[in-house]
Amino acid sequence: DAMVIQNPRYQVTQFGKPVTLSCSQTLNHNVMYWYQQKSSQAPKLLFHYYDKDFNNEADTPDNFQSRRPNTSFCFLDIRSPGLGDAAMYLCATSRDVGDSSYEQYFGPGTRLTVT
Amino acid sequence: GQNIDQPTEMTATEGAIVQINCTYQTSGFNGLFWYQQHAGEAPTFLSYNVLDGLEEKGRFSSFLSRSKGYSYLLLKELQMKDSASYLCAVRDSNYQLIWGAGTKLIIKP
Repeated sequence: DAMVIQNPRYQVTQFGKPVTLSCSQTLNHNVMYWYQQKSSQAPKLLFHYYDKDFNNEADTPDNFQSRRPNTSFCFLDIRSPGLGDAAMYLCATSRDVGDSSYEQYFGPGTRLTVT
Repeated sequence: GQNIDQPTEMTATEGAIVQINCTYQTSGFNGLFWYQQHAGEAPTFLSYNVLDGLEEKGRFSSFLSRSKGYSYLLLKELQMKDSASYLCAVRDSNYQLIWGAGTKLIIKP
């Protein structure tokens, strides 16, 4: 089945220790998104890629970086995690951005704990 | 600024009907989405509205009034598995999705 896969599902890292979360998709979608979601809050868009074009949200901290080496894979790097970065990180894809009817497909998320 | 408002929490009884409201103020409008999110899981797509009116999909229906900046999600014949958060999201003029914080729906037997 076509899907969005995130690994790992649960990640524990130490304060200040770099961590990388990964996402892959078999949907062949052009657009990939990274969201941060804290409990009972709306998903917060960190960045998105349209093909290889990187789009950073204005309020995304510099501590967060992303890479998309090819259509299928996208990575979220947190250079120096703080306690406030503990959250669920959701990867999503969509076919395009120009057609408003295209919904986003989400992976199962990676729950990050910072100790 | 851009804003999506939904009730924080609602409670309903198994077998009943519940309506979850969403009001929005955004820079432009290019469609409204409803997603379901079970605790600890990713959101899954439920419905899409871009024109005024009602879209029906089985037990779930979604309504949109663009002039009022208002939508609702109607869930009929509630089942225990419908206990989840329901997120309203609006696509703005830049085709960015603006998300509400979600409405936690609790279903009681």
